Amino acid sequence: ELKVEQNPLFLSMQEGKNYTIYCNYSTTSDRLYWYRQDPGKSLESLFVLLSNGAVKQEGRLMASLDTKARLSTLHITAAVHDLSATYFCAAYYGGSQGNLIFGKGTKLSVKP
Amino acid sequence: EPEVTQTPSHQVTQMGQEVILRCVPISNHLYFYWYRQILGQKVEFLVSFYNNEISEKSEIFDDQFSVERPDGSNFTLKIRSTKLEDSAMYFCASTSLAGLNNEQFFGPGTRLTVL
Repeated sequence: ELKVEQNPLFLSMQEGKNYTIYCNYSTTSDRLYWYRQDPGKSLESLFVLLSNGAVKQEGRLMASLDTKARLSTLHITAAVHDLSATYFCAAYYGGSQGNLIFGKGTKLSVKP
Repeated sequence: EPEVTQTPSHQVTQMGQEVILRCVPISNHLYFYWYRQILGQKVEFLVSFYNNEISEKSEIFDDQFSVERPDGSNFTLKIRSTKLEDSAMYFCASTSLAGLNNEQFFGPGTRLTVL
């Protein structure tokens, strides 16, 4: 059974600081996704990571995937208040019609 | 930009009543999913649907749940006899066959409150 663990679950940061969110998964998965969720809103796709060593960057966020370690990271550079949200990682489970197994989410609060 | 839509945005119902949650996936997508998120918790997979039949379902998706694609555009989730613990946000998602990444696009969700 595929399990996805995220840490930390809560993160309070000062603006301008850097931090990393970690996502570990328990069994082989060849795809890893990062989503952002604002309070009361839906899930916004941030990154899709498809292979070992994949690195993607968008603005102040950078995601990476190490399939051997079964680890993905979401790195935040010089945080700004607008990044405050809950971030979920999700590992792909199953064949071509597979579903996503989500972590518990990391609630990020960026303070001025 | 095409998007997944869901109706209603909020549904309040009495315990034991039937509810139907509706979704319109992105038009050229072929795979459809329902997930739920209990307040403050993680997103949980319920069911996947392809070619007019269920592909996979989780333990949560018991006999009280059913899904249907009644026409070429809608995808519905029915809960036959709602329980208090069914109160959650229900998200529909869809993805296309083409492309390796099978990125799932989520709708805005329906908040179900069972009283």
